[in-house]
Amino acid sequence: KQEVTQIPAALSVPEGENLVLNCSFTDSAIYNLQWFRQDPGKGLTSLLLIQSSQREQTSGRLNASLDKSSGRSTLYIAASQPGDSATYLCAISGGSYIPTFGRGTSLIVHP
Amino acid sequence: KAGVTQTPRYLIKTRGQQVTLSCSPISGHRSVSWYQQTPGQGLQFLFEYFSETQRNKGNFPGRFSGRQFSNSRSEMNVSTLELGDSALYLCASSFRQEDLEAFFGQGTRLTVV
Repeated sequence: KQEVTQIPAALSVPEGENLVLNCSFTDSAIYNLQWFRQDPGKGLTSLLLIQSSQREQTSGRLNASLDKSSGRSTLYIAASQPGDSATYLCAISGGSYIPTFGRGTSLIVHP
Repeated sequence: KAGVTQTPRYLIKTRGQQVTLSCSPISGHRSVSWYQQTPGQGLQFLFEYFSETQRNKGNFPGRFSGRQFSNSRSEMNVSTLELGDSALYLCASSFRQEDLEAFFGQGTRLTVV
């Protein structure tokens, strides 16, 4: 059974810092990995999707990497802004295509 | 194009009642998945429908059920509500579940009192 762990659980940083959020998983036989953002009480917004054959994806100030052999993915946020404050979730899909979600990293970026 | 629409956004029910939640996927999407999100358990998969057939089901009791209509709209039903059913219920759509990217609705916040 796939288990997904996200570290840290919470993070509070001043504006402008570069951040690294971590996601680890136990079963390397994955189909894809997706990073989401969730604002309080709202749905999930897809940020980046990495297929199992890929090693990283970039979108604006966001960069996500995938290392299947070590069971890890990182989400890098450059030059953080207060608007980046949200919970960041990673989700792993395996052969059954049912995603397993981590518990998320709650990020606060203060001015 | 319009996103995934969930109705209602908020709902308050009494223990023992039943509730029906609705999800309209993105036009053209045929796969709809449902999730329950609680502070204690995080995001958990409920079930997935594709072309009116339930293809996958999570580890939830039989009180949780769903269906999908020919226009791909989906409903989930929870009978005999318990306090622990209070949660944010999210649905996600994709063209197929095998597709790489899922798009989520804003969720329905259910409170059971």
